[in-house]
Formats: sequence, C-alpha cells, structure tokens
Amino acid sequence: AQSVSQHNHHVILSEAASLELGCNYSYGGTVNLFWYVQYPGQHLQLLLKYFSGDPLVKGIKGFEAEFIKSKFSFNLRKPSVQWSDTAEYFCAVIAYSSASKIIFGSGTRLSIRP
Amino acid sequence: DGGITQSPKYLFRKEGQNVTLSCEQNLNHDAMYWYRQDPGQGLRLIYYSQIVNDFQKGDIAEGYSVSREKKESFPLTVTSAQKNPTAFYLCASSNGKGATVNTEAFFGQGTRLTVV
Repeated sequence: AQSVSQHNHHVILSEAASLELGCNYSYGGTVNLFWYVQYPGQHLQLLLKYFSGDPLVKGIKGFEAEFIKSKFSFNLRKPSVQWSDTAEYFCAVIAYSSASKIIFGSGTRLSIRP
Repeated sequence: DGGITQSPKYLFRKEGQNVTLSCEQNLNHDAMYWYRQDPGQGLRLIYYSQIVNDFQKGDIAEGYSVSREKKESFPLTVTSAQKNPTAFYLCASSNGKGATVNTEAFFGQGTRLTVV
C-alpha cells in the first residue's frame, strides 16, 4: 500500500534558522508530490508541488523542496524561517495508478520562537 | 468565488445518532475526497470519488458512508457504527481522473464534529 512518512512530528526553531522537514513515500511508480500548510485556524493550502521536470521546486513564501527519486524523498526547505511560518506542514503523494488517491503524511508541527 | 463549502463548521450530536456532513464544490472538479484529521495522525482518507455515481473506500471507511449523486456534492454520513466519531473532517476536490492528469487538491474549511 502507498504511504507517506514524515519523521519530524514537532520542530522548534528560532527565527532566521534554516529549516528542513523530511518526507518519504513508498511507491515505485510515477508520483505527484505536494507540501500543504495549515496555519492556525485556517484552511489547508498548497505550498508547492512537483509533477515532472526540475526536481527542485520553489513554492510560496520562500519554501522549496527537492524530489530525490532514488531516495523516495521530497524534503521541504527554507533557508531562514520567520515567526509567521508557525504552522502544521503536510506532505502528500498521488501515486499514478488505476485508483489514484491523495495520501497524506502525519504532519509536522513547526513552532518558531520570536 | 470558486471553492469548496463545508457545512456546518461545528456540529454536536448525541452518541448513537447518524449525522451527515455536507460538502459542495463549484470548481467543476471530478474527484472529491473526505479526510479525518486527528492530532498527531495527519489526514486519513475515509472515502473518495473520482466520478459521479462512483466512490471507493479509503483507509478508514468503517462506520462511514457517502454518496455522489451530483458532481458538485459529496456528503459524508457518520453512522452510529463509527466507534470514535469526534474529530475534524475535511473535504477536498481535485481535477484528476485516475492516472491521467497532474492535479492538486483544494480543501474546504472543515467541520468539527463532537459526539456527546
């Protein structure tokens, strides 16, 4: 079965620190990969996505992610976090198959100290 | 505005009662999804539908039922068989049809169901 793993459950950083959140998936075929963010009290919204092409994708608010096919990974990065980045981050995968569905990881809560 | 509307935002029900959560989208999307969000467990897929009059069970379908009679609507019923129904429920839609389209999901605001 397809699955998505986010190993960091809660990350606490100071402002201006660099961020990397891990995401690994299990599926051997073609995938679409996403990072969603949920700010406190708000909708889930798309941060960035990878469909094909350049494996380094840039999203909103200075976030980027790199797809490494050999490692089945899609880690999220930001060189310098801000207090406003405090949120929960979800990695998600669509595995191309006859019954494509969107599978989410368990989420990583990011807390930024001002 | 185009989007996904879930109603109500908060819902309280007595134990043993069925309850139906509404999800409507005007994005003309083919696929719709229901997820349950619990602290520390992320979003778990309950049911999904790729076209009208068709739907499939997700990872935690027991105690839930759905229908997809119209493209824009995908209501979720939480039945009395669901052992732990208190949770935050999220509806989503996307443009995908199986393995043919690069797509992303758009989410509603969610319904917080509390069973007392």
